[in-house]
Amino acid sequence: ETGVTQTPRHLVMGMTNKKSLKCEQHLGHNAMYWYKQSAKKPLELMFVYSLEERVENNSVPSRFSPECPNSSHLFLHLHTLQPEDSALYLCASSQEGFPGEKLFFGSGTQLSVL
Amino acid sequence: DQQVKQNSPSLSVQEGRISILNCDYTNSMFDYFLWYKKYPAEGPTFLISISSIKDKNEDGRFTVFLNKSAKHLSLHIVPSQPGDSAVYFCAAGAQGANNLFFGTGTRLTVIP
Repeated sequence: ETGVTQTPRHLVMGMTNKKSLKCEQHLGHNAMYWYKQSAKKPLELMFVYSLEERVENNSVPSRFSPECPNSSHLFLHLHTLQPEDSALYLCASSQEGFPGEKLFFGSGTQLSVL
Repeated sequence: DQQVKQNSPSLSVQEGRISILNCDYTNSMFDYFLWYKKYPAEGPTFLISISSIKDKNEDGRFTVFLNKSAKHLSLHIVPSQPGDSAVYFCAAGAQGANNLFFGTGTRLTVIP
C-alpha cells in the first residue's frame, strides 16, 4: 500500500461516545498533520507532528486529542464531541515538516456527530 | 477572517479552452503559494507551487501567476481536459510558520 491511508472513511458518533481516527503514511515522511474541513469553509490546520513531537496546536478544543506513536502513524482521539464538530478530517504528511513543503493527504474521515 | 479567498465557487469551461482559477490573499507576509486539486472521495493532491521571489511557474499544462502588489494569484490550465474536472484549492503560508491557509475551493467542470 502506498500514500496516506485513513480509517474509518465514515464515522457517526453520539456526543457521549469516544472514538479514534487513524492515519498511516507509507512515504517515509517525518511530519504528519491533522486538518479539518467543515462545510463551505477552508481547510483548517489542527495539529502538526514532526519526528513524533507536536510542533503546532492551533487552539483546538481538548475534546480532540492527537497521538503520534511513531513517524508513520497518527491518531485523533475524540470524546464528548459537539454537533458542530461534524466535518471531514484529513490527515497529511510531508517530508520534513518545513513550511512550504507539499503535503500528501489521505482521503479523509467524514465525521457526523449526532 | 479568511486570509485566502477564492471568490468563484465554480467554473465551467469547454474542453480544449483555457481555465483560469483565481485566488486573493490578505497577508503580505505570505511568501509561498500552492495549488491543490481534489477529486470526490479523495484527499487533495498537490498540483503546483510558487514562491514570492517569482511571478510565474509552469509545469506542463499548468501555470501559476503571482501578482504580489495585487495580492493575487491565478492558475491557468491550457488546454483544459475533462479529467481536470475537480475542486481546486489555493493555499498560502509564510516561512517560519507551520500553518498553511487554504481557500474554500473552486469547482472546475470541463465540458467535453
